[in-house]
Amino acid sequence: GDSVTQMEGPVTLSEEAFLTINCTYTATGYPSLFWYVQYPGEGLQLLLKATKADDKGSNKGFEATYRKETTSFHLEKGSVQVSDSAVYFCALLAHNTDKLIFGTGTRLQVFP
Amino acid sequence: DTGVSQNPRHKITKRGQNVTFRCDPISEHNRLYWYRQTLGQGPEFLTYFQNEAQLEKSRLLSDRFSAERPKGSFSTLEIQRTEQGDSAMYLCASSYTRADTEAFFGQGTRLTVV
Repeated sequence: GDSVTQMEGPVTLSEEAFLTINCTYTATGYPSLFWYVQYPGEGLQLLLKATKADDKGSNKGFEATYRKETTSFHLEKGSVQVSDSAVYFCALLAHNTDKLIFGTGTRLQVFP
Repeated sequence: DTGVSQNPRHKITKRGQNVTFRCDPISEHNRLYWYRQTLGQGPEFLTYFQNEAQLEKSRLLSDRFSAERPKGSFSTLEIQRTEQGDSAMYLCASSYTRADTEAFFGQGTRLTVV
């Protein structure tokens, strides 16, 4: 079945460091791909999305490119801030369904 | 609009008791989803509604679980005869017609079964 695999955390970085959180997926057809973020004490929020191959989603300095050849959707940010500390979830929506399938989440901790 | 609202935020219950959670979606959203999240895992789909119609139920949703959305607005999720394995965060989300238009999540109801 469809699934999402993301790197285990926590990822610990200093402020202004470069961030990569890996995400790969298994799905039939052409799913839509998402990154959701969960800040402490808050609900999940959509961070960015891409709906077809080679699309790049971006928001708040974060980017992710839909790579069909490697079935990946890695999240990157050039310079992280303390306020980026949160749990990040990669997710897919298969073309023939209406349910999001999430990865296990990656906790990011950014220290000043 | 204040977003998706879930009540209660926390619930502690004894094994074997019934519990009911409520979700109030964003008012103009016709889709409503329930997910369950356990510690260290991502949310797992349970069920969803298009208006008042329940369109899909996960195999995770045993016969002890029932969800309703009687008027196409708020929804309730009931768990009968709770078990310790039901302890989790129960998340509600709403969206327009499809989840890829962006699903907005509530803060969840944390259930602890003792």
